[in-house]
Amino acid sequence: QQQVKQSPQSLIVQKGGISIINCAYENTAFDYFPWYQQFPGKGPALLIAIRPDVSEKKEGRFTISFNKSAKQFSLHIMDSQPGDSATYFCAARGGSNYKLTFGKGTLLTVNP
Amino acid sequence: EAEVAQSPRYKITEKSQAVAFWCDPISGHATLYWYRQILGQGPELLVQFQDESVVDDSQLPKDRFSAERLKGVDSTLKIQPAELGDSAMYLCASSWPGTSGGNEQFFGPGTRLTVL
Repeated sequence: QQQVKQSPQSLIVQKGGISIINCAYENTAFDYFPWYQQFPGKGPALLIAIRPDVSEKKEGRFTISFNKSAKQFSLHIMDSQPGDSATYFCAARGGSNYKLTFGKGTLLTVNP
Repeated sequence: EAEVAQSPRYKITEKSQAVAFWCDPISGHATLYWYRQILGQGPELLVQFQDESVVDDSQLPKDRFSAERLKGVDSTLKIQPAELGDSAMYLCASSWPGTSGGNEQFFGPGTRLTVL
């Protein structure tokens, strides 16, 4: 059972454009929603995270939008740059041991 | 900047052989995680330690996988015998102050396992 569904699987954006990645979750007990960025051959690195009592969080060019009633959250990358080309994973935390459940990832390519 | 260390970075083995991966978490991090990441998928938790104790190994194939964190610091993940389907990236992560609080997980670079 996939508890966090991520889309699209891949995304191609022109430099300067907006990249949008969406995630949906099922478990209402999730209490923390991070986004990770992963470059080839590297481990995932935390990019930005949000808690469900906030509808939006912005850090530089990266913004998380959170819709608790729809059980959806999304990552927006403004002014996308070729250096943003990576795989992005959404995740959700819940359970007695604060376990992270990851989406399947989105491969972002930003063309120069 | 403190980092999670993993070794080896790459491992090629034949099926039925034993393999072992090592992880050294960020100093002071009480919680350590082992994940498996199949190509094109997100990481899936195999085992979670709080200090030296296992707190979640529900997704660990215990017939062939084992993990230990004897002194509550570094950890070893073993597969014996390895199977073709075990080919994946094995990621270690750590967090502080434990399973509560912010719980940001810091990942190591991973060990890429190929089973032939």
